Amino acid sequence: AQSVTQPDIHITVSEGASLELRCNYSYGATPYLFWYVQSPGQGLQLLLKYFSGDTLVQGIKGFEAEFKRSQSSFNLRKPSVHWSDAAEYFCAVGGSYNTDKLIFGTGTRLQVFP
Amino acid sequence: ETGVTQSPTHLIKTRGQQVTLRCSSQSGHNTVSWYQQALGQGPQFIFQYYREEENGRGNFPPRFSGLQFPNYSSELNVNALELDDSALYLCASSPGPIPSGEQYFGPGTRLTVT
Repeated sequence: AQSVTQPDIHITVSEGASLELRCNYSYGATPYLFWYVQSPGQGLQLLLKYFSGDTLVQGIKGFEAEFKRSQSSFNLRKPSVHWSDAAEYFCAVGGSYNTDKLIFGTGTRLQVFP
Repeated sequence: ETGVTQSPTHLIKTRGQQVTLRCSSQSGHNTVSWYQQALGQGPQFIFQYYREEENGRGNFPPRFSGLQFPNYSSELNVNALELDDSALYLCASSPGPIPSGEQYFGPGTRLTVT
């Protein structure tokens, strides 16, 4: 079955600390992987995506993610977190035919302390 | 260039009623996807419309139906509302159902069923 697992429901970090949000996927074909961010009352904003090529992808707002096929993982990282990064983060997987039909994880809520 | 807009922002309905949610796609986008996001969950794919035709459907009953108009705006209709239909309904538009990852989400409509 196709699925996305985000093991951490809630993460708290101090401003300036590094961040890693975990994402594991199960997908029968070549996965197209995404990270989205959702602030309260807002829709989803695409942070970055991986289709093929370099397994380390750069996104907006200083985020990056690394695709590891052997571990079925696509973890999101940021070297130094800002208070404005506090939000809900969703990992998603789509198929090569249609990347709009996404399967999302349950999300990780990030809280940032000053 | 306007982004994806949705109306209304909030809606309260009674169990058994019917509801229509609306979405205006981003300029130049001919594909609209709808997602349901229950509280504390990730979005779940409901269905997609491409050039006024349904182009894929998730695991939702037939009482969830949709339309896409010639200007590529879209409606989501839900009949015989149930309490579990309470959720944030997200609309997303993209340039086409090809692998692009360029899917933009609206802010959502919060539906409460009492």
